[in-house]
Amino acid sequence: EVQLVESGGGLVQPGRSLRLSCAASGFTFDDYAMHWVRQAPGKGLEWVSGISWNRDIIGYADSVKGRFTISRDNAKNSLYLQMNSLRTEDTAFYYCAKAFLNNNCPSSWGQGTLVTVSS
Amino acid sequence: QTVVTQEPSFSVSPGGTVTLTCGLSSDSVSTRYYPSWYQQTPGQAPRTLIYSTNTRSSGVPDRFSGSILGNKAALTITGVQADDESDYYCVLYMGSGLWFGGGTKLTVL
Repeated sequence: EVQLVESGGGLVQPGRSLRLSCAASGFTFDDYAMHWVRQAPGKGLEWVSGISWNRDIIGYADSVKGRFTISRDNAKNSLYLQMNSLRTEDTAFYYCAKAFLNNNCPSSWGQGTLVTVSS
Repeated sequence: QTVVTQEPSFSVSPGGTVTLTCGLSSDSVSTRYYPSWYQQTPGQAPRTLIYSTNTRSSGVPDRFSGSILGNKAALTITGVQADDESDYYCVLYMGSGLWFGGGTKLTVL
Protein backbone atom coordinates (compact mmCIF):
# COMPACT_ATOMS: atom_id res chain seq x y z
CA GLU A 1 0.00 0.00 0.00
CA VAL A 2 1.31 3.42 -0.96
CA GLN A 3 1.99 5.64 2.04
CA LEU A 4 3.11 9.25 1.95
CA VAL A 5 3.70 10.99 5.27
CA GLU A 6 4.47 14.70 5.34
CA SER A 7 6.20 16.46 8.21
CA GLY A 8 7.85 19.76 9.02
CA GLY A 9 4.86 22.09 9.00
CA GLY A 10 4.20 24.65 11.69
CA LEU A 11 3.93 28.32 12.53
CA VAL A 12 6.61 30.56 11.07
CA GLN A 13 7.06 34.30 10.76
CA PRO A 14 7.02 36.06 7.40
CA GLY A 15 10.43 36.08 5.77
CA ARG A 16 11.61 32.97 7.58
CA SER A 17 12.28 29.48 6.22
CA LEU A 18 10.82 26.02 6.67
CA ARG A 19 11.67 22.61 5.26
CA LEU A 20 8.98 20.04 4.57
CA SER A 21 9.67 16.32 4.26
CA CYS A 22 7.67 13.47 2.78
CA ALA A 23 8.48 9.87 3.70
CA ALA A 24 7.34 7.41 1.03
CA SER A 25 6.72 3.68 1.32
CA GLY A 26 4.82 0.89 -0.40
CA PHE A 27 6.20 1.52 -3.88
CA THR A 28 9.51 1.84 -5.73
CA PHE A 29 10.14 5.50 -4.95
CA ASP A 30 12.85 6.08 -7.54
CA ASP A 31 10.54 5.01 -10.38
CA TYR A 32 8.13 7.91 -9.94
CA ALA A 33 7.94 11.65 -10.31
CA MET A 34 6.70 13.46 -7.21
CA HIS A 35 4.84 16.69 -6.51
CA TRP A 36 4.00 19.16 -3.80
CA VAL A 37 0.46 20.54 -3.96
CA ARG A 38 -0.96 23.05 -1.50
CA GLN A 39 -4.38 24.21 -0.39
CA ALA A 40 -4.98 27.43 1.48
CA PRO A 41 -7.77 27.21 4.09
CA GLY A 42 -11.12 27.21 2.31
CA LYS A 43 -9.52 27.43 -1.12
CA GLY A 44 -8.75 25.10 -4.01
CA LEU A 45 -5.74 22.97 -4.87
CA GLU A 46 -2.62 24.64 -6.23
CA TRP A 47 0.37 22.85 -7.72
CA VAL A 48 3.59 24.05 -6.08
CA SER A 49 6.41 22.00 -7.55
CA GLY A 50 7.32 18.70 -9.16
CA ILE A 51 10.45 16.63 -9.68
CA SER A 52 11.15 13.73 -12.02
CA TRP A 53 12.38 10.38 -10.76
CA ASN A 54 16.01 11.20 -11.55
CA ARG A 55 15.84 14.96 -10.74
CA ASP A 56 16.38 15.84 -14.42
CA ILE A 57 13.12 17.74 -14.69
CA ILE A 58 12.04 20.18 -11.98
CA GLY A 59 9.22 22.70 -12.17
CA TYR A 60 7.73 25.39 -9.96
CA ALA A 61 4.61 27.47 -9.90
CA ASP A 62 5.28 31.12 -10.61
CA SER A 63 4.06 31.99 -7.12
CA VAL A 64 6.97 30.15 -5.48
CA LYS A 65 9.71 30.30 -8.13
CA GLY A 66 12.97 31.59 -6.68
CA ARG A 67 11.82 31.02 -3.08
CA PHE A 68 11.06 27.28 -2.88
CA THR A 69 13.34 24.37 -3.80
CA ILE A 70 12.18 20.81 -4.31
CA SER A 71 14.56 17.88 -3.89
CA ARG A 72 14.51 14.15 -3.34
CA ASP A 73 16.74 11.48 -1.83
CA ASN A 74 15.96 8.20 -3.55
CA ALA A 75 18.16 6.28 -1.13
CA LYS A 76 15.97 7.50 1.73
CA ASN A 77 12.64 7.31 -0.16
CA SER A 78 12.10 10.94 0.72
CA LEU A 79 10.87 14.14 -0.92
CA TYR A 80 11.61 17.61 0.41
CA LEU A 81 10.48 21.18 -0.05
CA GLN A 82 12.74 23.97 1.17
CA MET A 83 10.65 27.11 1.59
CA ASN A 84 12.48 30.43 1.98
CA SER A 85 11.24 34.01 2.26
CA LEU A 86 7.84 32.79 3.37
CA ARG A 87 4.84 35.06 2.92
CA THR A 88 1.45 35.10 4.60
CA GLU A 89 -0.08 33.89 1.33
CA ASP A 90 1.97 30.68 1.60
CA THR A 91 -0.25 29.61 4.50
CA ALA A 92 -1.77 26.29 3.43
CA PHE A 93 -1.91 22.56 3.83
CA TYR A 94 0.97 21.10 1.82
CA TYR A 95 0.39 17.69 0.26
CA CYS A 96 3.02 15.34 -1.07
CA ALA A 97 1.80 13.40 -4.11
CA LYS A 98 3.13 10.50 -6.15
CA ALA A 99 2.64 10.82 -9.90
CA PHE A 100 1.31 8.29 -12.36
CA LEU A 101 4.00 6.67 -14.46
CA ASN A 102 2.51 7.70 -17.79
CA ASN A 103 1.08 11.16 -17.29
CA ASN A 104 2.75 12.92 -14.37
CA CYS A 105 -0.54 13.78 -12.64
CA PRO A 106 -0.94 12.93 -8.94
CA SER A 107 -2.04 9.38 -8.22
CA SER A 108 -1.60 9.03 -4.46
CA TRP A 109 -1.66 11.71 -1.80
CA GLY A 110 -0.37 12.15 1.72
CA GLN A 111 -2.55 13.57 4.47
CA GLY A 112 -0.83 16.96 4.34
CA THR A 113 1.05 19.19 6.75
CA LEU A 114 -0.11 22.67 7.72
CA VAL A 115 2.17 25.64 7.22
CA THR A 116 1.03 28.87 8.86
CA VAL A 117 2.93 32.05 8.06
CA SER A 118 2.05 34.76 10.52
CA SER A 119 3.70 37.33 12.74
CA GLN B 1 -1.99 33.31 -18.12
CA THR B 2 -3.28 29.75 -18.06
CA VAL B 3 -6.67 29.37 -16.40
CA VAL B 4 -8.45 26.05 -15.93
CA THR B 5 -12.17 26.56 -15.51
CA GLN B 6 -14.73 24.52 -13.61
CA GLU B 7 -18.31 25.21 -12.58
CA PRO B 8 -18.15 26.66 -9.03
CA SER B 9 -21.12 24.63 -7.89
CA PHE B 10 -23.64 22.06 -9.03
CA SER B 11 -26.69 20.45 -7.45
CA VAL B 12 -28.08 17.01 -8.21
CA SER B 13 -30.77 14.79 -6.77
CA PRO B 14 -29.96 11.34 -5.38
CA GLY B 15 -30.04 8.78 -8.16
CA GLY B 16 -29.51 11.41 -10.81
CA THR B 17 -26.69 12.02 -13.25
CA VAL B 18 -24.37 14.99 -13.29
CA THR B 19 -21.59 16.05 -15.65
CA LEU B 20 -18.87 18.39 -14.42
CA THR B 21 -16.58 20.05 -16.94
CA CYS B 22 -13.00 21.28 -17.09
CA GLY B 23 -12.07 23.94 -19.63
CA LEU B 24 -8.97 25.85 -20.62
CA SER B 25 -8.91 29.59 -21.17
CA SER B 26 -6.42 29.52 -24.02
CA ASP B 27 -7.09 26.22 -25.80
CA SER B 28 -9.35 23.23 -26.10
CA VAL B 29 -8.82 20.47 -23.58
CA SER B 30 -7.66 17.29 -25.28
CA THR B 31 -6.17 14.00 -24.25
CA ARG B 32 -2.68 15.48 -24.67
CA TYR B 33 -3.22 17.31 -21.38
CA TYR B 34 -3.96 14.02 -19.58
CA PRO B 35 -6.96 15.44 -17.70
CA SER B 36 -7.41 13.90 -14.27
CA TRP B 37 -10.13 14.25 -11.64
CA TYR B 38 -10.06 14.28 -7.85
CA GLN B 39 -12.68 14.16 -5.12
CA GLN B 40 -12.17 15.91 -1.80
CA THR B 41 -14.35 16.04 1.27
CA PRO B 42 -13.75 18.60 4.05
CA GLY B 43 -10.71 17.86 6.18
CA GLN B 44 -9.50 15.06 3.94
CA ALA B 45 -6.78 14.68 1.36
CA PRO B 46 -7.86 14.48 -2.28
CA ARG B 47 -8.81 11.10 -3.70
CA THR B 48 -7.91 10.25 -7.28
CA LEU B 49 -10.92 9.29 -9.40
CA ILE B 50 -9.94 9.49 -13.07
CA TYR B 51 -6.62 9.88 -14.89
CA SER B 52 -5.55 10.17 -18.51
CA THR B 53 -9.02 11.43 -19.48
CA ASN B 54 -11.03 8.28 -18.83
CA THR B 55 -9.15 5.67 -16.76
CA ARG B 56 -10.65 4.99 -13.35
CA SER B 57 -8.24 4.81 -10.46
CA SER B 58 -8.13 1.61 -8.44
CA GLY B 59 -11.26 1.07 -6.35
CA VAL B 60 -13.31 3.83 -7.99
CA PRO B 61 -16.83 2.62 -8.85
CA ASP B 62 -17.92 2.64 -12.48
CA ARG B 63 -20.53 5.28 -11.63
CA PHE B 64 -17.66 7.69 -12.24
CA SER B 65 -16.47 8.18 -15.81
CA GLY B 66 -14.29 10.63 -17.68
CA SER B 67 -14.40 11.87 -21.24
CA ILE B 68 -13.81 14.77 -23.60
CA LEU B 69 -17.02 16.65 -24.42
CA GLY B 70 -16.54 19.25 -27.11
CA ASN B 71 -13.55 21.32 -26.04
CA LYS B 72 -13.61 20.33 -22.38
CA ALA B 73 -12.81 17.37 -20.17
CA ALA B 74 -15.81 15.98 -18.37
CA LEU B 75 -16.53 13.92 -15.26
CA THR B 76 -19.88 12.17 -15.26
CA ILE B 77 -21.38 10.65 -12.14
CA THR B 78 -24.39 8.38 -12.59
CA GLY B 79 -26.66 7.07 -9.85
CA VAL B 80 -25.50 9.89 -7.57
CA GLN B 81 -25.37 8.98 -3.89
CA ALA B 82 -25.41 11.18 -0.81
CA ASP B 83 -21.76 10.57 -0.09
CA ASP B 84 -20.82 11.89 -3.53
CA GLU B 85 -21.34 15.34 -2.02
CA SER B 86 -17.80 16.70 -2.24
CA ASP B 87 -15.51 19.11 -4.01
CA TYR B 88 -14.26 17.91 -7.39
CA TYR B 89 -11.07 19.15 -8.99
CA CYS B 90 -9.63 18.60 -12.44
CA VAL B 91 -5.97 18.97 -13.32
CA LEU B 92 -4.22 19.32 -16.65
CA TYR B 93 -0.60 18.39 -17.27
CA MET B 94 1.36 20.75 -19.46
CA GLY B 95 5.10 20.82 -20.01
CA SER B 96 5.44 23.70 -17.57
CA GLY B 97 3.69 21.86 -14.76
CA LEU B 98 0.25 20.98 -13.45
CA TRP B 99 -2.76 23.29 -13.62
CA PHE B 100 -5.70 22.71 -11.28
CA GLY B 101 -9.17 24.02 -11.86
CA GLY B 102 -10.86 26.02 -9.13
CA GLY B 103 -13.03 23.07 -8.16
CA THR B 104 -16.75 22.30 -8.27
CA LYS B 105 -18.75 21.95 -5.08
CA LEU B 106 -21.31 19.22 -5.70
CA THR B 107 -24.40 19.27 -3.53
CA VAL B 108 -26.70 16.25 -3.37
CA LEU B 109 -30.21 17.24 -2.38
